[in-house]
Amino acid sequence: GDSVTQMEGPVTLSEEAFLTINCTYTATGYPSLFWYVQYPGEGLQLLLKATKADDKGSNKGFEATYRKETTSFHLEKGSVQVSDSAVYFCALFHAGNNRKLIWGLGTSLAVNP
Amino acid sequence: GAGVSQTPSNKVTEKGKYVELRCDPISGHTALYWYRQSLGQGPEFLIYFQGTGAADDSGLPNDRFFAVRPEGSVSTLKIQRTERGDSAVYLCASSLMSSREQFFGPGTRLTVL
Repeated sequence: GDSVTQMEGPVTLSEEAFLTINCTYTATGYPSLFWYVQYPGEGLQLLLKATKADDKGSNKGFEATYRKETTSFHLEKGSVQVSDSAVYFCALFHAGNNRKLIWGLGTSLAVNP
Repeated sequence: GAGVSQTPSNKVTEKGKYVELRCDPISGHTALYWYRQSLGQGPEFLIYFQGTGAADDSGLPNDRFFAVRPEGSVSTLKIQRTERGDSAVYLCASSLMSSREQFFGPGTRLTVL
């Protein structure tokens, strides 16, 4: 079945460092891919998405490119801030899965000043 | 506009008791989803409603779990004879049928003592 594998955390960075959180997936066909973020004490929020191969999703300085050839959707940010400290989830949506999201385990990011 | 709301935000109960968790989706969203998130894990799909009917309940762990959505809007997740292993954050999400993007509520943290 479909699955998502995310790099394990926790990740600890200094402010203004470069961030990469790896995400790879297994799916038949052409799923949509998402990054959700969960700030401390808050609910899941959609961070960015890509619906087809080579699409780049971007938001709040974060980017991720849908790479079908490597089945990846790695999250990147050029300069992280303390306020980016959160848990990041990679997720896959495939219509063949009856519309449910398939999730990675989440990667905790802590950014120190 | 209002987002997805869930009540209560926290529920503490004793083993063997019955609980109901409520979800108010975004107005006009015909698709509604329940997920469960244990500590350090990604969300786990429970059930998906399309309108009033459960289109996919394959994620419900056993027959102690049941969910309804009688008028196609508010949904209630019902858990009978709660067990300590049911302790988790229960998440509700909604979406337009035409969209792959799901909007999440803040969750209900259930603790079974």
